[in-house]
Order: sequence, then C-alpha cells, then structure tokens
Amino acid sequence: QSVLTQPPSVSAAPGQKVTISCSGSSSNIGNNYVSWYQQLPGTAPKLLIYDNNRRPSGIPDRISGSRSGTSATLGITGLQTGDEADYYCGTWDSSLSAVVFGGGTKLTVL
Amino acid sequence: EVQLVESGGGLVQPGGSLRLSCAASGFTFSNYAMSWVRQAPGKGLEWVSGISGSGAGTYYADSVKGRFTISRDNSKNTVYLQMNSLRAEDTAVYYCAKGFVRWEVDYWGQGTLVTVSS
Repeated sequence: QSVLTQPPSVSAAPGQKVTISCSGSSSNIGNNYVSWYQQLPGTAPKLLIYDNNRRPSGIPDRISGSRSGTSATLGITGLQTGDEADYYCGTWDSSLSAVVFGGGTKLTVL
Repeated sequence: EVQLVESGGGLVQPGGSLRLSCAASGFTFSNYAMSWVRQAPGKGLEWVSGISGSGAGTYYADSVKGRFTISRDNSKNTVYLQMNSLRAEDTAVYYCAKGFVRWEVDYWGQGTLVTVSS
C-alpha cells in the first residue's frame, strides 16, 4: 500500500480536461512540496510539476498542479493521445524521513 | 547534457549482495542530492534511498533500511548503492535519479535490472 493515494485509472476524450488526485497526510503533502511525474511505456519517468504548481522548463502550460490541505491535483487540458501514460505524485514524508510516491494513475485518452 | 549511467545490476541469489554505481556528468555533481528509485515489473515507483549533495545526509525507505547503504564520491561524480541480504521482493529496475530543487527528480538514468532469484 502506497503512503499517497491515487486513483488507479482515469480517462477522457481527446481535447478534454482531466484531473488526477493524490491524497496524503499532514506528514507528507500537508507540509511538503508535491511533484508529479509522467511515465510513458518503457521509459523513465519525466518531471511535470514541482513545488506543488511549478513547471520545469519545456513543460507546456496545459499541465498544472495544485495543493490544498493534504491533497494535491494534477490537471491536463487539451488531451492528446500522446498523454496516455502512468502519472505519479511524490513528496517528502517528514515522519518517515523519506520520499514517498503514489501508486500511480493510468491515463487513457479515449 | 546531463547523463546518468548505472551499472552493476544482474542476477543474484536470495541473501546475496550487489553494488550499483551511477556515473554522472553534465552538471555540478556535489550541488545536488541523488536518489535511487526502483520499479518492480508491472508495478509503480518506489523511492529506495537518497543522499545529500555533500554526502552528510542519507535516507532510506523502511523496506531497505539496515540492508542497503547509499554513498557518493564527489571526486568521481558517482553515487553508489550497496545492497545486502537481497530478497526476491527487491527484484526491480533500479534508476539513478538527480535531485532538482529538493528531492524531486529532474533526470533519470536508463535503469539497471536487479533480479533476485535462486
């Protein structure tokens, strides 16, 4: 069982918007910055969001992140078939003194 | 260009040991935390261990604490993961990962497969 909870799967049509949730606790999301990763099949993960809502260079603004309390959300607008991937949230857990990841969410673009 | 090249993976029997290495280039190595993240076949990401830029701080997932040791040699731009008392559940692709601002990862190695089996 992962410390952070994500839905196993989400789906939406091309051009639409999707959100992926990540739920934690005060020892992790509630008091530490959240990051989000995209993992395409057979490849290493890619950083999409850091510090809850900041995008690294090269990440388009149709990708967004937010945090409220002990939950975080990744948003993707203008969905493309190339967005089909697994998405993971991650953060530092102050009680564990370790990085924790969510179990991952598989995005299907119908 | 940032490059992270892992080596040292392979097949090992339960109870055995392996040492993974990750050679880094393209950035000021000592300025960044480094981590090892693993992914079992068909499973999600699991952070294994991390080390601060100076090497003074080391951190471990509960699942490997007491069995794995992370270290780095900033003169060689290399981070290591010594894995002892290996178990079948340690079977995974192990990624070397560069820290960005804190512990989030902006660059990943290609991964090295560790298989623990008799």
